[in-house]
Formats: sequence, C-alpha cells, structure tokens
Amino acid sequence: DAKTTQPTSMDCAEGRAANLPCNHSTISGNEYVYWYRQIHSQGPQYIIHGLKNNETNEMASLIITEDRKSSTLILPHATLRDTAVYYCIVRVAGETSGSRLTFGEGTQLTVNP
Amino acid sequence: NAGVTQTPKFQVLKTGQSMTLQCAQDMNHEYMSWYRQDPGMGLRLIHYSVGAGITDQGEVPNGYNVSRSTTEDFPLRLLSAAPSQTSVYFCASSSGQGYEKLFFGSGTQLSVL
Repeated sequence: DAKTTQPTSMDCAEGRAANLPCNHSTISGNEYVYWYRQIHSQGPQYIIHGLKNNETNEMASLIITEDRKSSTLILPHATLRDTAVYYCIVRVAGETSGSRLTFGEGTQLTVNP
Repeated sequence: NAGVTQTPKFQVLKTGQSMTLQCAQDMNHEYMSWYRQDPGMGLRLIHYSVGAGITDQGEVPNGYNVSRSTTEDFPLRLLSAAPSQTSVYFCASSSGQGYEKLFFGSGTQLSVL
C-alpha cells in the first residue's frame, strides 16, 4: 500500500471550510483514497473515498489532484462536532482487502468557536 | 440496525488471565476484523476474517486468537493477558463489495495489571 503523509494537527474556525491535505506520492493506478475520522474514544467513521475523480457526499468533498499524488478532504462548514482525528488511507480495492485498512496517525482537526 | 456491537465496554484483567472480547454485526457482512489502538497512535490490525470459517493474521496477531463460526460473530480471545495488551480494541465489518467502507464498533477499553 502507498504511504500517506498528513499534518499532525490543524485548526479551523467554526462555520468555515476545513481543508485537510494528504500526500500519497507513491500511489498506484488501482489504489483508492479513503478518509475516515475518529471522534474522541469512538470507533472510526467512514467519510468518503475516491479513485481519480472528485467526490462529494453529505459529509464532505474529496479533491484528488490530476496526478493522484495528493488529495484534500473538505468539510464545507465545520462545526464543533467535526473535531476529530482524520485518517487518509490508500488501499487497493478488492474482495480480500476489505478488512485490512492500515490507519496511520492522522490529522487532529480542532474546530474552534 | 444495531450495526457492530462490542462487549464489554470496559475490562480489567490481571496478568495471565484469559478472556474473550465479543463482536457481533447484524448487517450480514462477510468481512470482519479486530484492531487495537494504543494511546496517541493509529489503529493496528490484529486479525481479520473474509467469511465464516476463514481467518487470517494482521499486523500484530501475537497473543490473540480468533474464530469465525458464524457470519455474525467474530470473538477475540486473549490467551494469557499481558500488560502490553492494555489498549482499546475495535471490531469492524464491511460488505467487501469492492471498496472498504468499514463499520466500527464503539470499542472495548482493556487494562491488564
């Protein structure tokens, strides 16, 4: 699996957009980018995933650069409840890899009032 | 739906004791897995299963056993607890339909004295 690099921590003002970067310069063509978050002491929560096109769902948007070497997770209007550790994960999608995501240390996002 | 249910939420053991952490899911997911999370660190995969009767080792399997006799249940057994196994344990499941949307339980906080 490609290695990912994320900033250790970030701050964001409530109501503003939170842009969380992730570098995955060694990503291969069949590897997806996944984002999860973990609110204090809870189990991680799936946010979004993508291969090469930008993706949007009810929680966030995922912007993947054209060369796929980096991506940005965007929370359009951050709230205090979005304070969490955000994990960027790169993994080949496949039948037997469903349970084997590798979680790094992630980015601690703190949303301030 | 209950999703992924873990019991107990908290457990204190003495060194050398054995115990079983329970995990059950009601989503008919084929893929289940166990992770541990030490303070300030990301999640590390212990064991995983791609279906009933099939299990395999993850990144940190030593000291743990698993079995998968039904689709719903995936218990994690600590054979002889050690202080190094003090951690928060998360169970997760996924449908495995080509991309990894993992659903996590709320975790079991284990202390080994």
